[in-house]
Amino acid sequence: NAGVMQNPRHLVRRRGQEARLRCSPMKGHSHVYWYRQLPEEGLKFMVYLQKENIIDESGMPKERFSAEFPKEGPSILRIQQVVRGDSAAYFCASSPGLAGDNTQYFGPGTRLTVL
Amino acid sequence: AQTVTQSQPEMSVQEAETVTLSCTYDTSESNYYLFWYKQPPSRQMILVIRQEAYKQQNATENRFSVNFQKAAKSFSLKISDSQLGDTAMYFCAFFLTGANSKLTFGKGITLSVRP
Repeated sequence: NAGVMQNPRHLVRRRGQEARLRCSPMKGHSHVYWYRQLPEEGLKFMVYLQKENIIDESGMPKERFSAEFPKEGPSILRIQQVVRGDSAAYFCASSPGLAGDNTQYFGPGTRLTVL
Repeated sequence: AQTVTQSQPEMSVQEAETVTLSCTYDTSESNYYLFWYKQPPSRQMILVIRQEAYKQQNATENRFSVNFQKAAKSFSLKISDSQLGDTAMYFCAFFLTGANSKLTFGKGITLSVRP
């Protein structure tokens, strides 16, 4: 059973460009979470999605950031017009969403560098 | 809102010895889960152990065990027979069941295992 997949692992963008980060959850998992980790800090929640629905986006910046989890295909975290402050590691996690098992399993992360 | 505090920024332990990492949290809820995640130099987030708040018995996973003190809101991780591969950052995390389904992380502690 493959784990959570994220790509790309490393992404370099210039200021003003768009960044697209992809996440494929573990097989059988229907819940996806995105977290951001700044250097020397813990992970901060951004958004929680189920198939075709955003459940909680309370951690998402109001502008430039968006997320989706379509019926088919991976979850996408999109950052428009990137700025240097967006440089961070972005982690995706998935869980089965079953009662009694809400453990989140993490992907390897995407390290975004904005030049 | 829930908070997680890891007050020790770093610790060091001799190989084969035992070390305890501290974590405290704050919540007014009674139904929740607590986790320890490990982040080695590869930056992958790896689940170490999980504890359900309604269970009085402390969780154990091989060399890893927790001391869960619900009244004191304390959740420490004990690593026995430390190995060089245990060198990593360790994050304590809180998960509240229900609509607010996201992990809240502490800032982490850097553990170094000395040969």
